[in-house]
Amino acid sequence: AQSVTQPDARVTVSEGASLQLRCKYSYFGTPYLFWYVQYPRQGLQLLLKYYPGDPVVQGVNGFEAEFSKSNSSFHLRKASVHWSDWAVYFCAVSMEGNNRIFFGDGTQLVVKP
Amino acid sequence: EAGVTQSPRYAVLQEGQAVSFWCDPISGHDTLYWYQQPRDQGPQLLVYFRDEAVIDNSQLPSDRFSAVRPKGTNSTLKIQSAKQGDTATYLCASSSSQTNTEVFFGKGTRLTVV
Repeated sequence: AQSVTQPDARVTVSEGASLQLRCKYSYFGTPYLFWYVQYPRQGLQLLLKYYPGDPVVQGVNGFEAEFSKSNSSFHLRKASVHWSDWAVYFCAVSMEGNNRIFFGDGTQLVVKP
Repeated sequence: EAGVTQSPRYAVLQEGQAVSFWCDPISGHDTLYWYQQPRDQGPQLLVYFRDEAVIDNSQLPSDRFSAVRPKGTNSTLKIQSAKQGDTATYLCASSSSQTNTEVFFGKGTRLTVV
């Protein structure tokens, strides 16, 4: 069965530092992978998506993620974090041809000044 | 382009009361989803429609939850006899199966059952 694990419930980084949020997926077949961000009292917004192809995908606001089939991972990265990145980040998976999405439990990103 | 619209934004109920949530998807999107997001957890799919047809409602607690999309546009999710365990944010989302676009989410309805 498909599932997503985000092992870190909370990550704290200093503004300007680099960031990696971890995501592991379990899926039979070829997954479509996503990172969503949720700001307080806002809906989920798509940061980036992976469809089979180039394993490194670029998203909005300087975010990128790398798909690794061997590690079953899809980690999110950013070179320099800004205070406005303070939010909850969700990794998600779906299957080809079906937009039903399975989410992890999210990682709360805290940005220190 | 208007996004996915949900109402109300907040609801507070006592156990045993009923509540309805309303969703207006993005115009032209044939697929509509209802997710439940408990506090500090990720969204979990309850039910989804393609046009007016239910495609999957296997995770919908059928004894107290119901969802309809009679004309294939707007949708209503109803909880009969709410329980404290129903406390969560209820998210509506939509997408187009024709263009395989991303799934767009509304801001959600935050339900508290006391």
